[in-house]
Amino acid sequence: AQSVTQLGSHVSVSEGALVLLRCNYSSSVPPYLFWYVQYPNQGLQLLLKYTSAATLVKGINGFEAEFKKSETSFHLTKPSAHMSDAAEYFCAVTKAAGNKLTFGGGTRVLVKP
Amino acid sequence: GAGVSQTPSNKVTEKGKYVELRCDPISGHTALYWYRQSLGQGPEFLIYFQGTGAADDSGLPNDRFFAVRPEGSVSTLKIQRTERGDSAVYLCASSIGLAGGDEQFFGPGTRLTVL
Repeated sequence: AQSVTQLGSHVSVSEGALVLLRCNYSSSVPPYLFWYVQYPNQGLQLLLKYTSAATLVKGINGFEAEFKKSETSFHLTKPSAHMSDAAEYFCAVTKAAGNKLTFGGGTRVLVKP
Repeated sequence: GAGVSQTPSNKVTEKGKYVELRCDPISGHTALYWYRQSLGQGPEFLIYFQGTGAADDSGLPNDRFFAVRPEGSVSTLKIQRTERGDSAVYLCASSIGLAGGDEQFFGPGTRLTVL
């Protein structure tokens, strides 16, 4: 069985500061890993995904994530937060067959001016 | 092109009633997924279709929940004898295939409230 743990249900950052959202996963097979963002009253939007190519993955809106197999982690970062980054972020994992996603509990990001 | 659409956007019903939630996937996407997102939680998998058939329905919570995709495009999630605990946002997603890295495109969801 797969599972995803996101440390911190809420994160508050100042505009211009580093954004770091933590995600750890467990999977019995090599995983595919995703980060999604959800703005209020909108659907989930893919930020980036890891599919066993480069371990450092760059996504949209300046976000990137690094896959670390030894730490079973896939943390999301952005060097400089913008007000528009205020949203909820979800880490998710799937395996090769079937593609059903297992999500973490989400981290809500608040950006302070 | 059009994304995934879901109707209605909001549904309020009374305990014990029957509801249907509709999902229109992106044209040409063979895979369709249903998830449920309760307040303050991440989405949880319910069922997915490859074409017309349900390939995995292991996430359906009980036999009050049923989903169909008769022509391999539009899907309907059906909930019988609704309970207050069914209140959640029901999300639909579609992907071009079922490979592990295939991106799932999500609709805006249907917010179901059972009074």
